Amino acid sequence: AQSVTQLGSHVSVSEGALVLLRCNYSSSVPPYLFWYVQYPNQGLQLLLKYTTGATLVKGINGFEAEFKKSETSFHLTKPSAHMSDAAEYFCAVRSSGGSNYKLTFGKGTLLTVNP
Amino acid sequence: NAGVTQTPKFRILKIGQSMTLQCAQDMNHNYMYWYRQDPGMGLKLIYYSVGAGITDKGEVPNGYNVSRSTTEDFPLRLELAAPSQTSVYFCASDLPGQPQHFGDGTRLSIL
Repeated sequence: AQSVTQLGSHVSVSEGALVLLRCNYSSSVPPYLFWYVQYPNQGLQLLLKYTTGATLVKGINGFEAEFKKSETSFHLTKPSAHMSDAAEYFCAVRSSGGSNYKLTFGKGTLLTVNP
Repeated sequence: NAGVTQTPKFRILKIGQSMTLQCAQDMNHNYMYWYRQDPGMGLKLIYYSVGAGITDKGEVPNGYNVSRSTTEDFPLRLELAAPSQTSVYFCASDLPGQPQHFGDGTRLSIL
């Protein structure tokens, strides 16, 4: 079984400040990890993914995430928040083996950026 | 590229009515999925399909049915709409090991 916990359902930052969105996972096999972003009234858009290899993954819009196996974490960061980053962010995990098509999502973190 | 297309975008149903949510993808993806999204709950998997003619239940299948007669289409049917089915429904598709691509969603209200 796999699960995802996103710490903080709502995160508020000032424009230009560091963005840190936390994600911890559990998986019985090596995981594939994803961050998706959802803007109002839209579907989910892939921000970045980790499958194998380099543990620091860079995505779109200046976001990056680091896979830390020892901490079972995949936190999302951006050095300087922009107003356009305001959205809901979802962390997701997928098994890397066997029936590897099921994606399990966290409950989401709503990011607010204040001017 | 159209990607994943969902229709309709919005719908209001009365309790007990039935309807079909349409989903089509033009990326030749084997796998397709239906999720529902409720505030503060993330996405819950309703049904999924690994290929034409093959479907299986996800976490929350009660009250829904699906079919997959072609690779491109994966409709979701509500037979007897209930207020608990008020939600935003997302269809997604992918290839093995690849990220899922999502449609823009269908916002369904049942009154």
